[in-house]
This record gives sequence, structure tokens and C-alpha cells, in this order.
Amino acid sequence: EVQLLESGGGLVQPGGSLRLSCAASGFTFSSYAMSWVRQAPGKGLEWVSTISGRGGSTYYADSVKGRFTISRDNSKNTLYLQMNNLRTEGTAVYYCAGGAGTGFDYWGQGTLVTVSS
Amino acid sequence: QSALTQPRSVSGSPGQSVTISCTGTSSDVGGYNYVSWYQQHPGKAPKLMIYDVSKRPSGVPDRFTGSKSGNTASLTISGLQAEDEADYYCCSYAGSSTFVVFGGGTKLTVL
Repeated sequence: EVQLLESGGGLVQPGGSLRLSCAASGFTFSSYAMSWVRQAPGKGLEWVSTISGRGGSTYYADSVKGRFTISRDNSKNTLYLQMNNLRTEGTAVYYCAGGAGTGFDYWGQGTLVTVSS
Repeated sequence: QSALTQPRSVSGSPGQSVTISCTGTSSDVGGYNYVSWYQQHPGKAPKLMIYDVSKRPSGVPDRFTGSKSGNTASLTISGLQAEDEADYYCCSYAGSSTFVVFGGGTKLTVL
């Protein structure tokens, strides 16, 4: 059974930093591009970032480029999202998702990030 | 404002069919056969329903059908059931620069 378990969410002040993690199991992690997708309260889905299976290619939404960094450790089957200089509009549930532009096959349950003073 | 345009809401009675449209541009929907659709129930994670415009993952009922014409993709749900009531999002690959775009979502109400 495929499982994606996010962690690391919480309350952070504007301008602060947070690192999200996503532990994967049940599939060949290193063969899968992985992504982060977020959803602000009461709003729609927004793609944030994608990393290729081996980690050699990364992609970012313009809204987070230069502030967020996606990475992965295939030896630990874990995906990360380092978020710096957070803004209030970054308040959202952040989902870890298996896949990329061709389709997000697997989804975690999400972790809530609240950016507020 | 989302990159892909979806109707805010659609509705239908049990047993009927509904179609949700998703309009983009030649840089996303119209340029690639990489449109996917997601179902999201309240408080739950999204679920992949359609990928590559019209392919269904294992376990998704064949009542769900995807198609595309030009810059507009569509999701048709036939034989509506109460459990189909949810939010639906379209998504498209948009090239190596923009990469991925989502629609704003459509709330499906089963009357």
C-alpha cells in the first residue's frame, strides 16, 4: 500500500522558515518524480514544486521561486521542502504528491502551515 | 485567478450525467496530452481520477470519462451517485517553464 506521510507544518511568523518532510513507502520512490501542492483555506489547489526521481531537475512556481527549495533523499525515501521568507499567503495545507505534470498518482494527507504574527 | 478556467459549480440528479469543462490555452491544455482530473471530498486529500486526458487509474469507475478538444478539456461523470458529490480540479502540464497549472475547481452537487 502506498503511503505518503507529511510532517513539519506549524505556526511561523512572516519572514520565518520551515522545513516540511514527506516519508514515502509502498512504491519505488527513486523512480518517481515527487511534488508539493498546496491549498489555502477554502481555496483551490496550487502546484508548488517538483523534483525528478534522481533529484537532478527541480521546478518551482513563480510564487515561491527563490524562497523555497525542494530536495529528496532516496536512501531514506523522503521528500523535503525548505521554505524561507514565508509570507502570509503561504498559509495552506501542503500536500506531498507522487508524480508531476502528467498526473499526481499518490497524495499524502497534508500538513498545515500557518504564517501569521 | 487560476491558469485554467472551470465553472464554479455544476449539479445533477442521481443517474444523470454532468460535464465539467476546463479551458486553458495552447501553452497548456491545447499543447500537450497531459490533462489530469482530481476529486476532493471535504477535508480529504485529492484523488487522481483521469490522467493523460482520458486514461483512468485502476479502481476508478468507468463512469468517469475524460476528453479534450482544442484548448478545452472535459470530465464527464455518468450515472451520478451521491458519493460523486465533491470538488473537481483539472490540471495540465504547461511546458518546462511554467510546468504545471491547476484549474480553480468545480463543486459538484448531486441533487
